[in-house]
Amino acid sequence: GAGVSQTPSNKVTEKGKYVELRCDPISGHTALYWYRQSLGQGPEFLIYFQGTGAADDSGLPNDRFFAVRPEGSVSTLKIQRTERGDSAVYLCASNQGSNTGELFFGEGSRLTVL
Amino acid sequence: GENVEQHPSTLSVQEGDSAVIKCTYSDSASNYFPWYKQELGKRPQLIIDIRSNVGEKKDQRIAVTLNKTAKHFSLHITETQPEDSAVYFCAASSSGNQFYFGTGTSLTVIP
Repeated sequence: GAGVSQTPSNKVTEKGKYVELRCDPISGHTALYWYRQSLGQGPEFLIYFQGTGAADDSGLPNDRFFAVRPEGSVSTLKIQRTERGDSAVYLCASNQGSNTGELFFGEGSRLTVL
Repeated sequence: GENVEQHPSTLSVQEGDSAVIKCTYSDSASNYFPWYKQELGKRPQLIIDIRSNVGEKKDQRIAVTLNKTAKHFSLHITETQPEDSAVYFCAASSSGNQFYFGTGTSLTVIP
C-alpha cells in the first residue's frame, strides 16, 4: 500500500481480555516501530523491529505486552489481560532502517479498555 | 535511554506572529532531530528535520536551530497562519535507530 496501515482503527474491550493490533508498513521498509500515545502526550516508544527481529523492546511496559513480525513485514502487537490503563492510541511507524530517515506513521489504533 | 523535554506545552499566537518551540535532549550520541506536526485525530507527519552536523535549516516559513553543546534545538514558525494550528512534537534519534519524542506543544493561531 501507499502508506502505513493499522487495524483496527478502534477497539473497545473489557478489562482482562486479550487484544491484537495489526500494522502493515510501507513496502520495503525494514524498520518498524510501535508507539503508545495517551491524550495530551507525545508518542511513547514501545518496541522497534529491524527485519524480523526485535532490535529493542525496552519500551514494553510489562510482560503483558508482546509484538511479533514473523516475515519482516506485517507486525502484530499483542496485549494480554488488558487493564484500563492500557487505553491509548497505539501508533505504528516504519522507515528504511536509518536513524536519520523520516518515520511514516499509521493512523493509529485507538484502544479503550472498559 | 534518551530524555527529550519540550516546552511550552501550549502556545497561542496571533495570525502573522512568530511561534517558537524549544526542546532539550540528554543523550550526546543523538544526531538527528525531526519535528512532527499532528492535527487533531490525524497521524504525526514530518515537517522539518536537522542533523547534528548542521546548526540551522530553513524551509519557507519553518526553521530549526540546533545547539549541540547545550543539547537543545528549536522550531521557529514565522508569519503563522490558522492552518498551522496543531500539536508539534520534537524528537531525537541516535545510531541505535531509536526515536524519542517530546511531550508536544499545542499551537493555536488566532485569526
